[in-house]
Amino acid sequence: DADVTQTPRNRITKTGKRIMLECSQTKGHDRMYWYRQDPGLGLQLIYYSFDVKDINKGEISDGYSVSRQAQAKFSLSLESAIPNQTALYFCATPRDNEQFFGPGTRLTVL
Amino acid sequence: QQQVKQSPQSLIVQKGGISIINCAYENTAFDYFPWYQQFPGKGPALLIAIRPDVSEKKEGRFTISFNKSAKQFSLHIMDSQPGDSATYFCAALGSSNTGKLIFGQGTTLQVKP
Repeated sequence: DADVTQTPRNRITKTGKRIMLECSQTKGHDRMYWYRQDPGLGLQLIYYSFDVKDINKGEISDGYSVSRQAQAKFSLSLESAIPNQTALYFCATPRDNEQFFGPGTRLTVL
Repeated sequence: QQQVKQSPQSLIVQKGGISIINCAYENTAFDYFPWYQQFPGKGPALLIAIRPDVSEKKEGRFTISFNKSAKQFSLHIMDSQPGDSATYFCAALGSSNTGKLIFGQGTTLQVKP
C-alpha cells in the first residue's frame, strides 16, 4: 500500500464551486505539506503543517484553506474555485529533509 | 520571485548520451540541494542530494556537480536510458527548521532509443 494517498485523483469542477482534496499518510510523520504544480513553474508550497495544531501558509495560500484532522490526514479546500486554480496538486510528508509525495490530484476548473 | 532557476525546460537526448540539467540559486543560506524525479502520473521522488561542503556526489549513473562560488549546481545522467525519461526538479532547502523546499521550474527529459 502507498505511504501517501490522495483523493480524488482527478476532478473537474466549475467556477465558484467548493472542492476538497484529501491526503492521508501512513508513515507516521508529524509534518504534512500541500504543493501545486504548474508547467514551467515547478512546485509551489500552498500550506504546511508541523502537527495537528500548527498550520502555516506557504508562498501561494490565497484562495486555499486547509484542515489537519489528525496526524495522518491533511485536506486542502478551494472555497470558490476559479480557472487559474487548474493544476496538479500534491500532498507530501517530509522526514530528514526528504519529501515523500503522494500521487497527485489533477484538478480542472471550468 | 524564483529563487531557484532551472534550465533547460526540456531536453532530448539519444540513448547512451549524457543528460545535463542546470540550476542556479540566489540565497547563500541554502544548505541542502536535492534533485527529484517525476514520472507521468506519479509524485516526485528523491533521486539524489548534495550539501554545499562537497563539490560532487555520484550515485550510479547520476552525478550532482556543485559550484558554491557560482551558486550553481547541475545533474548529470550518464549513459542515459529511455527509462530515465521523466521530469526532473532541482530544489534548495530554504530552512532546515521548516523543511521548506524551493523548487526549480522543472526539466522534461526525453531519451530516444
